[in-house]
Amino acid sequence: AQSVSQHNHHVILSEAASLELGCNYSYGGTVNLFWYVQYPGQHLQLLLKYFSGDPLVKGIKGFEAEFIKSKFSFNLRKPSVQWSDTAEYFCAVNARNAGNNRKLIWGLGTSLAVNP
Amino acid sequence: GAGVSQSPSNKVTEKGKDVELRCDPISGHTALYWYRQSLGQGLEFLIYFQGNSAPDKSGLPSDRFSAERTGGSVSTLTIQRTQQEDSAVYLCASSLRFSPRGLFFGEGSRLTVL
Repeated sequence: AQSVSQHNHHVILSEAASLELGCNYSYGGTVNLFWYVQYPGQHLQLLLKYFSGDPLVKGIKGFEAEFIKSKFSFNLRKPSVQWSDTAEYFCAVNARNAGNNRKLIWGLGTSLAVNP
Repeated sequence: GAGVSQSPSNKVTEKGKDVELRCDPISGHTALYWYRQSLGQGLEFLIYFQGNSAPDKSGLPSDRFSAERTGGSVSTLTIQRTQQEDSAVYLCASSLRFSPRGLFFGEGSRLTVL
């Protein structure tokens, strides 16, 4: 069965520290990959996505993610975090031929707390 | 409004009561999804509507759960005879047709069953 694994459940960093959140998926075919973010008290929103092309994807607020097909990974990175990055981060994957988002498979999320 | 709107934002109910949760998707979005986010769990797919097609109800956890979408727009998720394990945040999302380009989520309805 397809699954998404986010290795870190809780991450605590100081401002200006670098961030890397792991995401691995299990699916042998072509995939679309997403990172969503949920700030405290707010709704989920798309942070970045990968469909094809350059495996290094740039998103909003200085985030980026790299798709490494051989490792089935799509790790999220940011060189220098800010207090405002405190949020819950979700990785999601769907099979390229799924046709619609009901086949999105979600990770359990990573809670990031950035101390000022 | 410009985004997905859900109501109520918070609902506290007694075990055994019925609840209705409402979702108003982004105008023009024909696809509408309901997810459930429980503490310590990932997002759980519940049901999917696409235009006039029959909904995909494969994620509904029991027959106490039902949803409808009237006129291809507003959707209501109904939970009958609520149980404590139904306590969660219920998220609605919408998107354009069969687009894998990301969902637009509402802020959710937090349900607490006492």
